[in-house]
Amino acid sequence: DTGVSQDPRHKITKRGQNVTFRCDPISEHNRLYWYRQTLGQGPEFLTYFQNEAQLEKSRLLSDRFSAERPKGSFSTLEIQRTEQGDSAMYLCASSRAGEPETQYFGPGTRLLVL
Amino acid sequence: AQSVTQLDSHVSVSEGTPVLLRCNYSSSYSPSLFWYVQHPNKGLQLLLKYTSAATLVKGINGFEAEFKKSETSFHLTKPSAHMSDAAEYFCVLNAGNNRKLIWGLGTSLAVNP
Repeated sequence: DTGVSQDPRHKITKRGQNVTFRCDPISEHNRLYWYRQTLGQGPEFLTYFQNEAQLEKSRLLSDRFSAERPKGSFSTLEIQRTEQGDSAMYLCASSRAGEPETQYFGPGTRLLVL
Repeated sequence: AQSVTQLDSHVSVSEGTPVLLRCNYSSSYSPSLFWYVQHPNKGLQLLLKYTSAATLVKGINGFEAEFKKSETSFHLTKPSAHMSDAAEYFCVLNAGNNRKLIWGLGTSLAVNP
């Protein structure tokens, strides 16, 4: 059990560019969640997957954001045409079928949009 | 409606003294409650959880929390603070649908030498 991993850990980009983040959940965890956290705030739910199915998306997830989990293992979160307001920490978490209420978090990807 | 209120945004204690971080919740369901800790520039780590078993829950690093239904509280305590405990602490409620977590605004714990 190596924990949830995220890549990259840091990303600096210019406004208008596209960025993609990757999350590898704990193996055999069937649920995967994406959150966004801004400075001084708690995490805000973005979306979650059960296996490869995306079951819920927050209103925070505008049409510039898309998430996939094609094989039910790793997931990617893409932000198109980034804006300065997208600057935040993007967190991924996973949970297992037998204990769905307990989520384990990765270290996050910190995005800075210039 | 589901909600979590952390009663203190900042708590400062001296090393070796007790820690108390307060959390109240509101839930229409039988709640699952969690405390997560976040050290600067690091990810969120699960400290402990309550999921309708024993009301006194022991976690990592000497922390524990007691679920009190009559008071709708889930306060986090530690008998003796250590410098390494300085971090942001979040009280979290599972919204009864096993999907979404509802987060408190966090309590920043400072530990003074």
